[in-house]
Amino acid sequence: AQKITQTQPGMFVQEKEAVTLDCTYDTSDPSYGLFWYKQPSSGEMIFLIYQGSYDQQNATEGRYSLNFQKARKSANLVISASQLGDSAMYFCAMRESWMDSSYKLIFGSGTRLLVRP
Amino acid sequence: NAGVTQTPKFQVLKTGQSMTLQCAQDMNHEYMSWYRQDPGMGLRLIHYSVGAGITDQGEVPNGYNVSRSTTEDFPLRLLSAAPSQTSVYFCASRMGGGGRSEQYFGPGTRLTVT
Repeated sequence: AQKITQTQPGMFVQEKEAVTLDCTYDTSDPSYGLFWYKQPSSGEMIFLIYQGSYDQQNATEGRYSLNFQKARKSANLVISASQLGDSAMYFCAMRESWMDSSYKLIFGSGTRLLVRP
Repeated sequence: NAGVTQTPKFQVLKTGQSMTLQCAQDMNHEYMSWYRQDPGMGLRLIHYSVGAGITDQGEVPNGYNVSRSTTEDFPLRLLSAAPSQTSVYFCASRMGGGGRSEQYFGPGTRLTVT
């Protein structure tokens, strides 16, 4: 069963505005981690931000922040002050902590973000 | 540090041919894994390794073999290429344990099977 859902195949945002990329997940493990990766047109996977299930505060990394709502099982990525270089595919991923899954990242299908000048 | 390196970057195979995708990391990471990326499907785990001599299957292992004789190298072998294996392949590595240990990805290998 799919464990990560990204419902927005594509999104547009105006340069300098904020944008939220949605991610919901499903797990029965109380301990897990959520990741966001950026994939520009060049193809490499770039780690953006991490949120642990027991973290008390929402993660932030520069212009990236994670809106973590544990009860709703959502982990939305917020990009503030969008730049043209933010145009890329964005993937949400989850890693559970129990032994057989701790090495696996389960990915969503991604959201393609296009920043308009 | 080179991080995670993959060769080749591009490859075209004919149906039935075999080949090996190379992956190496210089960060002394315990965990290494192979993913494939198909359009609209995100990344899916093919095989993984938790250390030298230890490998196991991921979500989509059929048609692929792996081995891990050293900490640094984790090659992926296509035994008899099929058009369904046309994809972009990523190798990744990370430190052992869980938590916020992030995966480092290689640049990818774009494989086309005709």
